[in-house]
Amino acid sequence: AQKVTQAQTEISVVEKEDVTLDCVYETRDTTYYLFWYKQPPSGELVFLIRRNSFDEQNEISGRYSWNFQKSTSSFNFTITASQVVDSAVYFCALSGFLLRKTSYDKVIFGPGTSLSVIP
Amino acid sequence: DTEVTQTPKHLVMGMTNKKSLKCEQHMGHRAMYWYKQKAKKPPELMFVYSYEKLSINESVPSRFSPECPNSSLLNLHLHALQPEDSALYLCASSQEETGYSYEQYFGPGTRLTVT
Repeated sequence: AQKVTQAQTEISVVEKEDVTLDCVYETRDTTYYLFWYKQPPSGELVFLIRRNSFDEQNEISGRYSWNFQKSTSSFNFTITASQVVDSAVYFCALSGFLLRKTSYDKVIFGPGTSLSVIP
Repeated sequence: DTEVTQTPKHLVMGMTNKKSLKCEQHMGHRAMYWYKQKAKKPPELMFVYSYEKLSINESVPSRFSPECPNSSLLNLHLHALQPEDSALYLCASSQEETGYSYEQYFGPGTRLTVT
């Protein structure tokens, strides 16, 4: 079965602190993709990153960084020097090829982690 | 341009009304999606269109009727809804290519209230 777990339901940090959002996934696919999306209070989901299962390189984009470890089936997301604008719900998501009914992949979303950054 | 637009932003309708949600993208994406999202929950997939054909219907009740008039537009027709259908309805689009999974770009959503 395909599953995404985000064990942290809610996190609160003080501005400028670093915070790591955990994501653990389960899949039987050998080829799969992982994503992170941000949903601010306005409601629109914003794509942050896509990573395929063959690329375990960590990635850094500004204050954001991602740590992909296949050995532990984790794809964690770290925000450095958090800001109030980072307050949002963050979803980790997985798509794999076992679920393909057509050429389309069904994306499995985790339950989300609500991050509050306090000024 | 990575924008997906949705209209209306808010919609209040009675259980006997008929209304439509609209979604538009100009990124050349050939896959388009409708999701339903309840408060504090992840999005739930409703429908997928691939190359303007309905690919996936996730056992959605017939009171929701999708339509894809062309490669840029996606509609969701609503009829005889129930109060439990009140939710945020999100449209998304993505590239479509066999063997790959691409990120989805979401619109701002329509917040639907059924009275």
